[in-house]
Amino acid sequence: DTAVSQTPKYLVTQMGNDKSIKCEQNLGHDTMYWYKQDSKKFLKIMFSYNNKELIINETVPNRFSPKSPDKAHLNLHINSLELGDSAVYFCASSQDSVSQPQHFGDGTRLSIL
Amino acid sequence: KNEVEQSPQNLTAQEGEFITINCSYSVGISALHWLQQHPGGGIVSLFMLSSGKKKHGRLIATINIQEKHSSLHITASHPRDSAVYICAVNTGNQFYFGTGTSLTVIP
Repeated sequence: DTAVSQTPKYLVTQMGNDKSIKCEQNLGHDTMYWYKQDSKKFLKIMFSYNNKELIINETVPNRFSPKSPDKAHLNLHINSLELGDSAVYFCASSQDSVSQPQHFGDGTRLSIL
Repeated sequence: KNEVEQSPQNLTAQEGEFITINCSYSVGISALHWLQQHPGGGIVSLFMLSSGKKKHGRLIATINIQEKHSSLHITASHPRDSAVYICAVNTGNQFYFGTGTSLTVIP
């Protein structure tokens, strides 16, 4: 049973399109995260939700909008995709935001044509 | 300047060697994480520390809060340890990542 699952694993789309990446965790964790890893492999946090409430919202374009329908899901919607959005996006979860380790999904490789 | 600095950036070791990767940070933290990313891309959380030392198998992580420094040690290194090791700090409302240390262990 996969603990943190992301779909799709690969996403290839054209500039200007709108796309979503889904994330689900079956660990009963309260906190979920979205990270972006660029072509230089540098990881950066984008968002963090705790019990469906936004607790970290880094400076990302407002074309990126997280949606948490319940605490087991944190989906990432991206509008008007740009070339610079090409990256690997990782979802993660932890029991809390401070004292517990994170469990990562396998990543979604987004390529913009 | 990054809030989290790792050294070395790249490291090649012979199988069996003792390996140390260092992480220094410049912000107040609630916890420090060591992550491992394999060539296939998956990320695994190895340790989360707020003080002292933790051990898991051949891996040991230490942190000195006063000096704002952490080390990850691998004893009796093995080719399967080849990966990128990433240090990350949690300030309570922010996460900052190091640029990673790419480790290659040669048989």
